[in-house]
Amino acid sequence: EAQVTQNPRYLITVTGKKLTVTCSQNMNHEYMSWYRQDPGLGLRQIYYSMNVEVTDKGDVPEGYKVSRKEKRNFPLILESPSPNQTSLYFCASSPRLGIGQFFGPGTRLTVL
Amino acid sequence: DAKTTQPPSMDCAEGRAANLPCNHSTISGNEYVYWYRQIHSQGPQYIIHGLKNNETNEMASLIITEDRKSSTLILPHATLRDTAVYYCIVRPPDSNYQLIWGAGTKLIIKP
Repeated sequence: EAQVTQNPRYLITVTGKKLTVTCSQNMNHEYMSWYRQDPGLGLRQIYYSMNVEVTDKGDVPEGYKVSRKEKRNFPLILESPSPNQTSLYFCASSPRLGIGQFFGPGTRLTVL
Repeated sequence: DAKTTQPPSMDCAEGRAANLPCNHSTISGNEYVYWYRQIHSQGPQYIIHGLKNNETNEMASLIITEDRKSSTLILPHATLRDTAVYYCIVRPPDSNYQLIWGAGTKLIIKP
């Protein structure tokens, strides 16, 4: 089944403890993105990747890192999480520009 | 800021056509109109997109006015599972995936 998977789906952590949210797609898509969704602010893009080893900042990249060493994986790294990064995170992929994106199920992160 | 305006909420009876409007009066000639929906904190789901011609797929139809300043998403036979927030987004075809998401329309399908 074609899909985007994220792990973990739920995570509660403490300030400063490094964490990684994994994202994987099995559709051989070139383009992948990370978004966060907060009440009243909608979805905002964090980082995106147009291909392997090609990443760029979105609207709200501060406090996040990404890597794209393989086409299928696009992990989101929080080196030192803070409470303002408590949010619902979505990974998305697409075969190319101009095509609709496939979204993962989301990761609900709480930073205490 | 989002480049689209949508009503915050709408109701529709189950089995009837749901017509969701979207205004995008500042749309440029090369910007596409995309529709997504999100069911209660699940990942957004792509529905359809178009440039100037009307489009139809297995999920919905997209009607774009001739001046392209507005569009309507039509769900021909709404079911309870179509209850969701529907987002109308415009973006140039060669931009990155920096979609600007507005507040969307909360569509409630009533039995």
